[in-house]
Amino acid sequence: SALTQPASVSGSPGQSITISCTGTSSDIGGFEFVSWYQQHPDMAPKLITYDVTKRPSGVSNRFSGSKSGNTASLTISGLQAEDEADYYCSSYTRNNTLVFGGGTKLTVL
Amino acid sequence: EVQLLQSRAEVKKPGESLKISCKGSGYRFIGYWIGWVRQKPGQGLEWVGIIYPGDSDTKYGPSFEGQVTISADNSISTTYLQWTSLEASDTAMYYCVRQGVGSGWPFDSWGQGTVVTVSS
Repeated sequence: SALTQPASVSGSPGQSITISCTGTSSDIGGFEFVSWYQQHPDMAPKLITYDVTKRPSGVSNRFSGSKSGNTASLTISGLQAEDEADYYCSSYTRNNTLVFGGGTKLTVL
Repeated sequence: EVQLLQSRAEVKKPGESLKISCKGSGYRFIGYWIGWVRQKPGQGLEWVGIIYPGDSDTKYGPSFEGQVTISADNSISTTYLQWTSLEASDTAMYYCVRQGVGSGWPFDSWGQGTVVTVSS
């Protein structure tokens, strides 16, 4: 089943926020293969972190990923208006499949 | 530059068949996993499945196993997502995605999406 994310989070410009993504030992807890995606309205998603902590070339270092046990987290520091978007986590699973989280809407106040 | 060019939007009736496509360019097609992600209107992302064109190894998400077929034609660097009998619940945006660097299928490239509408 889908990974569990909060439906929404919010923060003011300049602040830091963290979005959690909870799974099980069969997915997040069993592998170092968590990715995070950012999706703006009417746009395709964009990869912002992979392999838990790595960032693709060109992605701001304000985005950072981490993991502890069965829960992964995405932290966005120095929040900017352009960060307002939906965020999705994903994880490889022991069944050799992939599972996404339900998504989190980030509002920049 | 990696590009994934998807086929146009489709409007179909329940029970009809459909095959949508995604052409990869700017990279060695047979060397990367390429797959599909569904997004229903106003909802989140769902992993449909993925194929490795180099040996045709294919994986499906639990909700999609037996419901769709993913294939690839390496001669034209194109992957397909196919239904034999559409249902209204298949109405969604379907994104073509390519595995990037890293493990566990991080998708660093996304197509523009193909809207599939199933309605009587």
